[in-house]
Amino acid sequence: GESVGLHLPTLSVQEGDNSIINCAYSNSASDYFIWYKQESGKGPQFIIDIRSNMDKRQGQRVTVLLNKTVKHLSLQIAATQPGDSAVYFCAERAMNRDDKIIFGKGTRLHILP
Amino acid sequence: KAGVTQTPRYLIKTRGQQVTLSCSPISGHRSVSWYQQTPGQGLQFLFEYFSETQRNKGNFPGRFSGRQFSNSRSEMNVSTLELGDSALYLCASSAGTGGYTGELFFGEGSRLTVL
Repeated sequence: GESVGLHLPTLSVQEGDNSIINCAYSNSASDYFIWYKQESGKGPQFIIDIRSNMDKRQGQRVTVLLNKTVKHLSLQIAATQPGDSAVYFCAERAMNRDDKIIFGKGTRLHILP
Repeated sequence: KAGVTQTPRYLIKTRGQQVTLSCSPISGHRSVSWYQQTPGQGLQFLFEYFSETQRNKGNFPGRFSGRQFSNSRSEMNVSTLELGDSALYLCASSAGTGGYTGELFFGEGSRLTVL
């Protein structure tokens, strides 16, 4: 079935270090990927996106990497800050699914002082 | 610019009842999507509306329904509530259809508890 999954449910990172959150997808027709951040008590918030014709995209302190060969994408957060504590979701769109945006189950990022 | 507004924020119902949740999208946004969020299943796509038409539907039973009005506001309804319907229901709006851009703008959700 449709699945966008995450390798680790919880990731603990020292403040100031870089964080890497991984995500695997199964649909080879997926052509667009998005990362969302959800803080406690709030709805998910868009972080960064990448289309399948790219393998890397950078934003402010965040980088998304896409490896279509192994159907894997990652979110890298540089110099992790306490405000980065949240659940991070990867999401995908596949043209063979009427362009629905499908979310993965999420990884909780915990920042250690 | 006001964000996505969902009402009510919290509600408690009993099994067998029905519930209606409301979503007001960002002004100018014509697409509204609904998601169910639970600890075990994460964010599950319910449906998407664009210009008053249901554009996409997820794998939920017919008890889950929705609609969109001419002002882009949307409602979703769950009839004959079951315990497993307890969840956070999230609404998201976007300027184009949800599939065109992944930049969905989410509300804070309506937390439904079914007893």
